[in-house]
Amino acid sequence: DIQLTQSPSFLSASVGDRVTITCRASQGISSYLAWYQQKPGKAPKLLIYAASTLQSGVPSRFSGSGSGTEFTLTINSLQPEDFATYYCQQLNSYPRTFGQGTKVEIK
Amino acid sequence: QVQLVQSGAEVKKPGSSVKVSCKTSGGAFASYPISWVRQAPGQGLEWMGRIIPIVDITNYAQKFQDRVTITADKSTSTAYMELSSLRSEDTAVYYCARASPPDSWGQGTLVTVSS
Repeated sequence: DIQLTQSPSFLSASVGDRVTITCRASQGISSYLAWYQQKPGKAPKLLIYAASTLQSGVPSRFSGSGSGTEFTLTINSLQPEDFATYYCQQLNSYPRTFGQGTKVEIK
Repeated sequence: QVQLVQSGAEVKKPGSSVKVSCKTSGGAFASYPISWVRQAPGQGLEWMGRIIPIVDITNYAQKFQDRVTITADKSTSTAYMELSSLRSEDTAVYYCARASPPDSWGQGTLVTVSS
């Protein structure tokens, strides 16, 4: 199975900050990576797919980059509604594993 | 707009089985994969498996291979996930999700396994 390791697992940030989350794959997955946002008690929401393509309706302050084994999710100018947990998922092979999550909290 | 509506919460005894349904509406059903993902309390997301209804092809995570069955009823646009030999560690919220990567999710179904 492909392992995905997110860093950091937790980060504290302020409104307006730029935030970067990294997802590293245990083997190359080309650009078959998606990012999700999850708020407490809610289902995950797709933010980015194919490593860098913004899902329709997602604000442009979210962006993704990377290929192969290293990927990043960047949130420019963090907004109050962005405080949540973020997950990466690889779609290169089965099982479609997730990273362990990164919780973004208010400083 | 695509909607996925899951069946209600379940409380099960260890060793029993649970079957969760996921009814889709507002879009094509058969040609999109339906995945099942679970989340134990306070934990991360765990992919269990998926089905492509139009060809009835399934893929399962090795961890659940012997205990999970995912099916789809094209006539009612409903997918099902059955998990057998339940144990306390299976207590979780179970989500269905449509497409790859999943862009529409069900509301989640809490399954509690307790004696």
